[in-house]
Amino acid sequence: EAGVTQFPSHSVIEKGQTVTLRCDPISGHDNLYWYRRVMGKEIKFLLHFVKESKQDESGMPNNRFLAERTGGTYSTLKVQPAELEDSGVYFCASSQDRGRGQETQYFGPGTRLLVL
Amino acid sequence: DQQVKQNSPSLSVQEGRISILNCDYTNSMFDYFLWYKKYPAEGPTFLISISSIKDKNEDGRFTVFLNKSAKHLSLHIVPSQPGDSAVYFCAASINDYKLSFGAGTTVTVRA
Repeated sequence: EAGVTQFPSHSVIEKGQTVTLRCDPISGHDNLYWYRRVMGKEIKFLLHFVKESKQDESGMPNNRFLAERTGGTYSTLKVQPAELEDSGVYFCASSQDRGRGQETQYFGPGTRLLVL
Repeated sequence: DQQVKQNSPSLSVQEGRISILNCDYTNSMFDYFLWYKKYPAEGPTFLISISSIKDKNEDGRFTVFLNKSAKHLSLHIVPSQPGDSAVYFCAASINDYKLSFGAGTTVTVRA
């Protein structure tokens, strides 16, 4: 069974440009999460989808970030316009939803974003 | 406001000995705790978890201990192997799915 995949693996852009990150969760996983790790610090939650609905977007830093999950399958995270402080590693994770919470989240390899 | 803390950024241990990683949390509402292992340029890989109704969970060489009164958990790796060299993250949730992570502890296993 394929794991969580993310594209691209790396992205280098200039301040003010737009970047779109993609995440394909494990097949059958209704829960999809985005996290970010900045400069070797802790991994921070950004938002959570259940199928195509945003369940919790309390971790989104500002309105320059837009996440979508059309059809409840893959998800995209767009940063527009990118700022220097957006640099970091963006992780996607997915888990099943059996209505009990405490489901293990499986992470993708991450997208390393560098804004110059 | 970091609710999960790993106060030791690094740990060096000799192959075959025990590795003990520590994690403290501040939110008493956390009811599910996990440890993830991360190699460079890869995503975190799930290692072991524990529910707040337990105080110990064991899986092969890995054991997690939970002390709710002290808001502390630890991961024991016995015996440590060279392939265990990685960054270990402690994480916690309040049954609302999102994880709060510590900053990680880099483990180096010496031959």
